[in-house]
Amino acid sequence: AQSVSQHNHHVILSEAASLELGCNYSYGGTVNLFWYVQYPGQHLQLLLKYFSGDPLVKGIKGFEAEFIKSKFSFNLRKPSVQWSDTAEYFCAVKWAAGNKLTFGGGTRVLVKP
Amino acid sequence: NAGVMQNPRHLVRRRGQEARLRCSPMKGHSHVYWYRQLPEEGLKFMVYLQKENIIDESGMPKERFSAEFPKEGPSILRIQQVVRGDSAAYFCASSPSPAGGSIYTQYFGPGTRLTVL
Repeated sequence: AQSVSQHNHHVILSEAASLELGCNYSYGGTVNLFWYVQYPGQHLQLLLKYFSGDPLVKGIKGFEAEFIKSKFSFNLRKPSVQWSDTAEYFCAVKWAAGNKLTFGGGTRVLVKP
Repeated sequence: NAGVMQNPRHLVRRRGQEARLRCSPMKGHSHVYWYRQLPEEGLKFMVYLQKENIIDESGMPKERFSAEFPKEGPSILRIQQVVRGDSAAYFCASSPSPAGGSIYTQYFGPGTRLTVL
């Protein structure tokens, strides 16, 4: 079965630290890749997406992600986090053959001021 | 431009009652998806609908759950005879183009948090 895994369930870091969240997916052909963020009490918002082309994707709020096809990975990065980045982050994959998004389990990020 | 709307935001039901969750897609979107998020888990796909059609219900439990997206009005996710295990956050998403296309994005609503007592 197609699956998406996020390696870290919880991450705690201080402001200005760099952030990298891992996301791996199972093989299944062509994929569209997404990172969503859920701030406390709010709904999921799209951070960035990859469909094709440049494997380094830039999103909102200073986030970027790199698609590495050979590793089936789509890791999210931010060079310097802020307290307002405290949220839960979800990686999601849509395989070309299907309609749905398959989500990873999420990573809760706490940025200490 | 209003986003995806869901109501109610919070719903409390006793075991055995029915729960009705509503979702209005973004303007111009005709494709709706429902996902469920159980406590401490990621979102799990339930069903994908277009107007008056269920396209993919592979994630729907076989019993007690149903979904519709009528020609007029919001999409409805209906849970009959709720049990405690149905307590979860239910998210709706919509997209503007056929899911089979290579370029589409799902936009999510705020979710309905269902609590079954």
